[in-house]
Amino acid sequence: GQQVMQIPQYQHVQEGEDFTTYCNSSTTLSNIQWYKQRPGGHPVFLIQLVKSGEVKKQKRLTFQFGEAKKNSSLHITATQTTDVGTYFCAGPEGGGSNYKLTFGKGTLLTVNP
Amino acid sequence: SQTIHQWPATLVQPVGSPLSLECTVEGTSNPNLYWYRQAAGRGLQLLFYSVGIGQISSEVPQNLSASRPQDRQFILSSKKLLLSDSGFYLCAWSVPIDTQYFGPGTRLTVL
Repeated sequence: GQQVMQIPQYQHVQEGEDFTTYCNSSTTLSNIQWYKQRPGGHPVFLIQLVKSGEVKKQKRLTFQFGEAKKNSSLHITATQTTDVGTYFCAGPEGGGSNYKLTFGKGTLLTVNP
Repeated sequence: SQTIHQWPATLVQPVGSPLSLECTVEGTSNPNLYWYRQAAGRGLQLLFYSVGIGQISSEVPQNLSASRPQDRQFILSSKKLLLSDSGFYLCAWSVPIDTQYFGPGTRLTVL
């Protein structure tokens, strides 16, 4: 079946440093989604990318979808302590109503104030 | 607006005891429903998903089962819990071919 891999597994940064997590799929994706899970919380949807080469920004967060629609990245500029959490990418699998997401294992970001 | 509820929030159960976790969704009709398990510090493991009442797809063979008795109700059960069943159980819903929205989760500890 489809596999979605994320690196790194962990990243510790000083507040103000940049952070990037990378996501790679074994298959071409119709879209890629990113979620954030704060410590002790549940995953929350951040964004969905659909088009080849698409770039979207949310304040200090920049999301990219690769040209081949098999990889993606999330870049955070000038991290803050509020960015702490696990970032997951996810790719859809299955068609029609038999729809599910394959999640990467996530990147845990910790920020030292 | 749509909301998703899960209960209980935390649960401590002895090995061999039964389990029933409930998830309900409000504000949408005929959603896809999902059960995930997350071990401490790990990723999301899809356990079951359902595209309609009475329709359950199992992703991982184990001693858990799921049921969907009503359109917006999803139940995760076990007849006898194992130590390895401990974890954070998350219910999610989606409109097909769209993003998933997660409930607050249930932290289960099996002793």
